[in-house]
Amino acid sequence: SQQGEEDPQALSIQEGENATMNCSYKTSINNLQWYRQNSGRGLVHLILIRSNEREKHSGRLRVTLDTSKKSSSLLITASRAADTASYFCATPTNMDTGRRALTFGSGTRLQVQP
Amino acid sequence: GAGVSQTPSNKVTEKGKYVELRCDPISGHTALYWYRQSLGQGPEFLIYFQGTGAADDSGLPNDRFFAVRPEGSVSTLKIQRTERGDSAVYLCASSLGRQGYNEQFFGPGTRLTVL
Repeated sequence: SQQGEEDPQALSIQEGENATMNCSYKTSINNLQWYRQNSGRGLVHLILIRSNEREKHSGRLRVTLDTSKKSSSLLITASRAADTASYFCATPTNMDTGRRALTFGSGTRLQVQP
Repeated sequence: GAGVSQTPSNKVTEKGKYVELRCDPISGHTALYWYRQSLGQGPEFLIYFQGTGAADDSGLPNDRFFAVRPEGSVSTLKIQRTERGDSAVYLCASSLGRQGYNEQFFGPGTRLTVL
C-alpha cells in the first residue's frame, strides 16, 4: 500500500461549510506536504508542514501533523465551489536513504456544491 | 519560464511505437522529477535528477523507460515499444534541490494514450 493514504476518498459538502481530509503514513518523515489537483492535471503545492510543527495555517487552510500517530489533516474553512478538486498528501519516500521522491496517497476528491 | 512546462499536452500513439515527452523545469531548479498518474490514483514516482545525473531511477517500471537531462535543465522521458498499460498522465516536477524540504512544483502533465 502507499505511504500516504487519504480519508475519505470522496467528500461532498455545501459552499460555506468546512472540509476536513485526513492522511496517514507509515515511515519516518521530516515533512509532509499537501497538494491540490484540478481535473486530473497539474498538481499545485498548498502547504508544507515540518515534523517539528504541529499546526500550520495558510489563508483558509489549516494543516495539523501528529507524528506519534503518523497522521495529518487538512481543513479548508468556508469552502467555495472553486475548492472542488482532488487533494493529496505527500511524504518523502525514504528518509533513511535520503531519497527525494515523494510518495502520494490516492487522494480525496472534494466536491463543493454551490 | 514562470512555471514547469511540458510538451506535448496530449500524445496518442499506437502500441509498439516510441514516444518522447519533454519537461522544461523552473529556471534555477536543480532537481527534476518524473511521475506517472493513472486515473483515480495519486502520482507514482519514476525518476529523479539532481543536475544532469539520475540520482534515483528506482521507480522506472522496466527497461523500456529511460530519461535524460543532458544539460541539467530540460529533461526528456523516453518510452520504447509502448504498451496499452503505459497510458497515463506523465507529470514532471522541479524543486530547488536543497537538502531538507523538497517542495515540488508540477507541470500540467502529458496525457499519453496508447491505442
